[in-house]
Amino acid sequence: DADVTQTPRNRITKTGKRIMLECSQTKGHDRMYWYRQDPGLGLRLIYYSFDVKDINKGEISDGYSVSRQAQAKFSLSLESAIPNQTALYFCATSDLVVNEQFFGPGTRLTVL
Amino acid sequence: EDQVTQSPEALRLQEGESSSLNCSYTVSGLRGLFWYRQDPGKGPEFLFTLYSAGEEKEKERLKATLTKKESFLHITAPKPEDSATYLCAVHRIDRGSTLGRLYFGRGTQLTVWP
Repeated sequence: DADVTQTPRNRITKTGKRIMLECSQTKGHDRMYWYRQDPGLGLRLIYYSFDVKDINKGEISDGYSVSRQAQAKFSLSLESAIPNQTALYFCATSDLVVNEQFFGPGTRLTVL
Repeated sequence: EDQVTQSPEALRLQEGESSSLNCSYTVSGLRGLFWYRQDPGKGPEFLFTLYSAGEEKEKERLKATLTKKESFLHITAPKPEDSATYLCAVHRIDRGSTLGRLYFGRGTQLTVWP
């Protein structure tokens, strides 16, 4: 089984809809991250969490919110989706000492 | 202001033709430089971490090196299966914080043809 899982893997939605992307991990890591990837722009950090009670904004948090329900679960919500939020979204985890991040398989989101 | 710059953006190599990818960074107080491989439609896969100038790490046909301003990913005698996007990231402590995070470059898309 994969260490970091994301659901759904693909989603097509309409402008104005609320969308939730979910991430679960079995690595036992405290730190979790949400990134979006757009062609030519690389990975950009949306939100990150260093433990269950800690939430931090990344570079591009506007239009997004997150919830850290447990050590193993970190959800990303788009309150009112817009077309320029069409992208590939990745969840990642890391432990407290070693900063290498382990990525999930990604969610491809299309907002029409 | 970019913290991490990767070059070239794209590189095409013939199988067996060795080359290097570059990652230059401007952060001070580097806490680690990371290389990842990403296949189309998939999540990045960790390759190496380098912590100090002069450090080198190898894995199969890949060798990563680090200086005070840049890192190189050397690919020796590449094969078509090495085709992927290679991402570089640096770990930096943000001002006012005691914890850090990764800043990614935009990647180099490598294509190796037979």
